[in-house]
Amino acid sequence: KAGVTQTPRYLIKTRGQQVTLSCSPISGHRSVSWYQQTPGQGLQFLFEYFSETQRNKGNFPGRFSGRQFSNSRSEMNVSTLELGDSALYLCASTSSRVFNEQFFGPGTRLTVL
Amino acid sequence: GENVEQHPSTLSVQEGDSAVIKCTYSDSASNYFPWYKQELGKRPQLIIDIRSNVGEKKDQRIAVTLNKTAKHFSLHITETQPEDSAVYFCAASGGGGNKLTFGTGTQLKVEL
Repeated sequence: KAGVTQTPRYLIKTRGQQVTLSCSPISGHRSVSWYQQTPGQGLQFLFEYFSETQRNKGNFPGRFSGRQFSNSRSEMNVSTLELGDSALYLCASTSSRVFNEQFFGPGTRLTVL
Repeated sequence: GENVEQHPSTLSVQEGDSAVIKCTYSDSASNYFPWYKQELGKRPQLIIDIRSNVGEKKDQRIAVTLNKTAKHFSLHITETQPEDSAVYFCAASGGGGNKLTFGTGTQLKVEL
């Protein structure tokens, strides 16, 4: 069974631009969560989607948004990029059978110049 | 909201020794506590987890203990090997959904 995949793996953007990241969960998994990882703040929860609905949201500004499609693939969008948005963005998928057990994708490394 | 504290931030042990990493959490509603291992440049990998109805869980050289009353849980690695060198994160989740609140990580170095 294929693992969690994320595209693109690397991105370089400039301040003020917007970016869309994609995550495909493990087949059969319906929950996708997004996390931001930085050296200073560690791993921080952004939001979770389950059955195309946002179920949880972390403490990030409204510039960070997401959505989930009927095939459980998820996208997150960051508008008006700031230098501080440079980070590794990880998504994790969860099986409906084993509540809470999350498996991470390889991440998208975003650099904002 | 939930707050997870993790100690120590760095841990250096000799090969074959044991390593212990400790975490405390604040939200009594948390009921799921996973541990992740992250090697440099790689994704966090789930290595073991424990739910609030269990006090201890073992998987070969790795064990996790949970004290719900004191709101703390610990990771124990026995017979450490160089390949155990990585950053280890504890996390807590509960109250609905799959939001994980992570500790700040422990850099474990296993020296030959």
